[in-house]
Amino acid sequence: NAGVMQNPRHLVRRRGQEARLRCSPMKGHSHVYWYRQLPEEGLKFMVYLQKENIIDESGMPKERFSAEFPKEGPSILRIQQVVRGDSAAYFCASSPVAVISTDTQYFGPGTRLTVL
Amino acid sequence: RKEVEQDPGPFNVPEGATVAFNCTYSNSASQSFFWYRQDCRKEPKLLMSVYSSGNEDGRFTAQLNRASQYISLLIRDSKLSDSATYLCAVNRGGGATNKLIFGTGTLLAVQP
Repeated sequence: NAGVMQNPRHLVRRRGQEARLRCSPMKGHSHVYWYRQLPEEGLKFMVYLQKENIIDESGMPKERFSAEFPKEGPSILRIQQVVRGDSAAYFCASSPVAVISTDTQYFGPGTRLTVL
Repeated sequence: RKEVEQDPGPFNVPEGATVAFNCTYSNSASQSFFWYRQDCRKEPKLLMSVYSSGNEDGRFTAQLNRASQYISLLIRDSKLSDSATYLCAVNRGGGATNKLIFGTGTLLAVQP
């Protein structure tokens, strides 16, 4: 059973460009989460999605960031007009069900975004 | 005050030592608790879930103290391969969200 897949693993963008990060959850998982890890900092929750629905986006910056999880295909985290402060590791996690008390999230290998 | 706090370390211990990490959380409504291990420039990997009754997996033992709002991880007979950053994570629960709140991690370095 393949784990959570993320691509690209490394992404370099110049300031002002767009970054698109993709995440395919584990087979059988319908819940996707995005986290960001800035250098020397902990993991911070960004957004929680189910198929075609954003459930919790309380950790998303108000501007330039958006996320989707379409009916078909991977989840996409999009960052428009990137700035140097967006340089970080972006991790996707997935879980099978929404039973909060017992749910477990499994992480993908991450996308390391570098903004020049 | 951060919602989840850990001692950042580093903890430098010799092989074979027993080491314990604590993690405190501030939201009493938190519902589930986890320890993850993160190697340098890698993704967090689930080490174990933490239950009120305590749970053990080989050399690793996790405990939850709801009254004092902390979780702990005990590693016995440390191996060189245990060197990593250990993250505690708390699922706050409540409403529809299922997000994890992470501590900043405790760095463990096991010395030969």
